[in-house]
Amino acid sequence: KAGVTQTPRYLIKTRGQQVTLSCSPISGHRSVSWYQQTPGQGLQFLFEYFSETQRNKGNFPGRFSGRQFSNSRSEMNVSTLELGDSALYLCASSSGLAGRTDTQYFGPGTRLTVL
Amino acid sequence: AQSVTQPDIHITVSEGASLELRCNYSYGATPYLFWYVQSPGQGLQLLLKYFSGDTLVQGIKGFEAEFKRSQSSFNLRKPSVHWSDAAEYFCAVAPYSGAGSYQLTFGKGTKLSVIP
Repeated sequence: KAGVTQTPRYLIKTRGQQVTLSCSPISGHRSVSWYQQTPGQGLQFLFEYFSETQRNKGNFPGRFSGRQFSNSRSEMNVSTLELGDSALYLCASSSGLAGRTDTQYFGPGTRLTVL
Repeated sequence: AQSVTQPDIHITVSEGASLELRCNYSYGATPYLFWYVQSPGQGLQLLLKYFSGDTLVQGIKGFEAEFKRSQSSFNLRKPSVHWSDAAEYFCAVAPYSGAGSYQLTFGKGTKLSVIP
């Protein structure tokens, strides 16, 4: 099976712009979670989508949003970029099914730099 | 809220030496427990996981971890380190719900350097 893919791998934006990142989960997986990784705060959970619905949300401002499509692919969007949004954004996929002892498998990440 | 502590920010070992990376968690019940490894510029690769059952868990690349409920610990071990093991290691926990949805809470990571 192909792993989790994320595009693009690298992005450079300027403050005030918006950005969209994409994640394609492992085939058959219906849950996609997003995490932000920074040197200062470490790895932090952003949100999780399952069957096109946001099922879980971390403690991030409303500038961070996401969505999931019927094929389970997910996008996250960050509006009005700030310098502090520079980070590695990781997505993880899992089956997301109740009653399963599930595992999240991570993609390679998108490195976002905000200038 | 759950939390994860990895007390060692950076560890240096010689190739062939044994390794133990510490992880302590704070949670009201037994959570799911994971160890992930991250090479520079890469995503996270799962080394091993504990859900229930045998408290000694075997993973990939010769790693193992032992869950000790009384100490709220899940330490990662390897009997003989290879130079390719140099990377950053993250311990993570997730609440056990059986509902299919969970969010991982990560420790700050331990960077492992290996001396040839």
